[in-house]
Amino acid sequence: NAGVMQNPRHLVRRRGQEARLRCSPMKGHSHVYWYRQLPEEGLKFMVYLQKENIIDESGMPKERFSAEFPKEGPSILRIQQVVRGDSAAYFCASSPERGSETQYFGPGTRLLVL
Amino acid sequence: AQSVSQHNHHVILSEAASLELGCNYSYGGTVNLFWYVQYPGQHLQLLLKYFSGDPLVKGIKGFEAEFIKSKFSFNLRKPSVQWSDTAEYFCAVNAGSGYSTLTFGKGTMLLVSP
Repeated sequence: NAGVMQNPRHLVRRRGQEARLRCSPMKGHSHVYWYRQLPEEGLKFMVYLQKENIIDESGMPKERFSAEFPKEGPSILRIQQVVRGDSAAYFCASSPERGSETQYFGPGTRLLVL
Repeated sequence: AQSVSQHNHHVILSEAASLELGCNYSYGGTVNLFWYVQYPGQHLQLLLKYFSGDPLVKGIKGFEAEFIKSKFSFNLRKPSVQWSDTAEYFCAVNAGSGYSTLTFGKGTMLLVSP
């Protein structure tokens, strides 16, 4: 049973470009969470999605950030017009049907904005 | 809102020393508690979790944690650390009851010298 997959593992962007981060949950998991880890900080919740629905986006910056989890395919975290402050590790986690179950994390995408 | 506090940002121990990492949370309701570990260059892995029942929880690799409800604490312990335990340790909490977004502490970096 493959774990949570994220790609790319490393992403370099120049200021103003777009970054697209992908997350494929574990088989049988329909809940996806995105977290951001800034240098020397813990993980901060960004958004919680189920298939085709955003359940909680209270941790998402109001501008430039968006997320989706379509019926088919991976979940996408999209950052438009990246700035240096967006440089961080972005982790995706998934959990099975019942929302209170343990979350399993992917390897993360490390975004560097030049 | 929930918050998680980890007392030490950095801990340095010699092999075979005993380990205790502090974690306190603030939340008035029912909680689920977790310890995750992040080895250098790797993704977060679940060490152990507490949902209910026996407050002393045993996890992988010889780790254990004790939930003390009156102190809002969930400290992580290991009787004898190894060099391979060098990693960053994160305490996390969610509100349970089907709402599973995790709130993380800032992490404790453990360095075990051989």
